[in-house]
Amino acid sequence: EIVMTQSPATLSMSPGERATLSCRASQSVGSNLAWYQQRPGQAPRLLIYGASSRATGIPARFSGSGSGTEFTLTISSLQSEDFAVYYCQQYNNWPPLTFGGGTKVEI
Amino acid sequence: QLQLHESGPGLVKPSETLSLTCNVSGGSISRNSYYWGWVRQPPGEGLEWIGSVSYSGTTYYNPSLKSRVTISVDTSKSQFSLKMNSVTAADTAVYYCVLMGLQSYAMDVWGQGTKVTVSS
Repeated sequence: EIVMTQSPATLSMSPGERATLSCRASQSVGSNLAWYQQRPGQAPRLLIYGASSRATGIPARFSGSGSGTEFTLTISSLQSEDFAVYYCQQYNNWPPLTFGGGTKVEI
Repeated sequence: QLQLHESGPGLVKPSETLSLTCNVSGGSISRNSYYWGWVRQPPGEGLEWIGSVSYSGTTYYNPSLKSRVTISVDTSKSQFSLKMNSVTAADTAVYYCVLMGLQSYAMDVWGQGTKVTVSS
């Protein structure tokens, strides 16, 4: 099983700042890495797939990078609606599909 | 626009079987690149993949749950389902149905989730 590790667990930021979230895989997942955003009380939604491709309707302030075992989600200028929990997930080697533990971006 | 909607009992007794259904609307359930799946989230915790099924019925399960889980698809009703037997309080969670394969094998589309509590 591929273990996904996210850091930090919590990121305290202010609106307008740049946020950088990290995700590490226990073995290479190539570019088969997705990022999801989960706002309180809502279902997760896909932000990034293929490590760097934005899903339909996702604003350009969200960008993903990395390959192999190290990945980054960057939010260039935090908006109020971006304060949420973010999860990475690998789909390179499954079953099982595995998620990271999440990073909470808070004010 | 393809949408998913979960349904099923919100309360299940310990040792019994949890049964949920996901209705697919706005698109075809039979596209051969699609996988339909289930993900759960215990209160205050992260996401756990339960399993997925292709339109043809090929199934993939999380090894940690495989002995208790069955996922199936009914193309005639445009729905797929989850059955989990011998439930305990640890199975209390919000259960989401998901679609993989729209843009990639990430989880492109999510249902709104349904809360299931295991309690006597």
